[in-house]
Amino acid sequence: QVQLVQSGSELKKPGASVKVSCKASGHTFTNYALNWVRQAPGQGLEWMGWINSNTGTPIYAQGFTGRFVFSLDTSVNTAYLQISSLKPEDTAVYYCAKKAGYYWYFDLWGRGTLVTVSS
Amino acid sequence: DIQMTQSPSTLSASVGDRVTITCRASQSISSWLAWYQQKLGKAPKLLIYEASSLESGVPSRFSGSGSGTEFTLTISSLQPDDFATYYCQQYNSYPYTFGQGTKLEIK
Repeated sequence: QVQLVQSGSELKKPGASVKVSCKASGHTFTNYALNWVRQAPGQGLEWMGWINSNTGTPIYAQGFTGRFVFSLDTSVNTAYLQISSLKPEDTAVYYCAKKAGYYWYFDLWGRGTLVTVSS
Repeated sequence: DIQMTQSPSTLSASVGDRVTITCRASQSISSWLAWYQQKLGKAPKLLIYEASSLESGVPSRFSGSGSGTEFTLTISSLQPDDFATYYCQQYNSYPYTFGQGTKLEIK
């Protein structure tokens, strides 16, 4: 079954870092645009950017530069989102999502990873 | 950035009703619009792409229409499984933006 399998919930203190993983199951990260989408509690969806599975090049949306890093390990078909210097406002569910072929809508989503930042 | 505005924010309806959700773009996005359904605690699920194309496996009671700046998602006969939050998303230009969501509630 084709899936994106995300890592489990995280509870972190302000100032710490977190690394969320997204593993491709039933397929490989080939010719892939792997996107990250944030959903704060009770809020809508916010596109954070994407990483090219062929080149490993990340592209960040405005507001997600500096503390946010997208990376890939194609040997284990896994993408990562690392957030450093965590703030309480980073508390959210983070989704990975696959771009649908040529067009920038998303046809396969992970189940999401809840990151809670609290002292 | 292109702003996407959905209306209404909340919609109360009954099983069997026909409902329509509207999404407006702050500038023309041609037909580069997708609709997603999200149930509580779950990932979004793609319903419609290119404004009116039904994703494989999505029931035919869902339909989309529109182009330019105004779009609609219609559910022809609500089923119990359809009560969820719906989002539109434009993919005409970077950054790709979503509407704020429409919560479909049971009346």
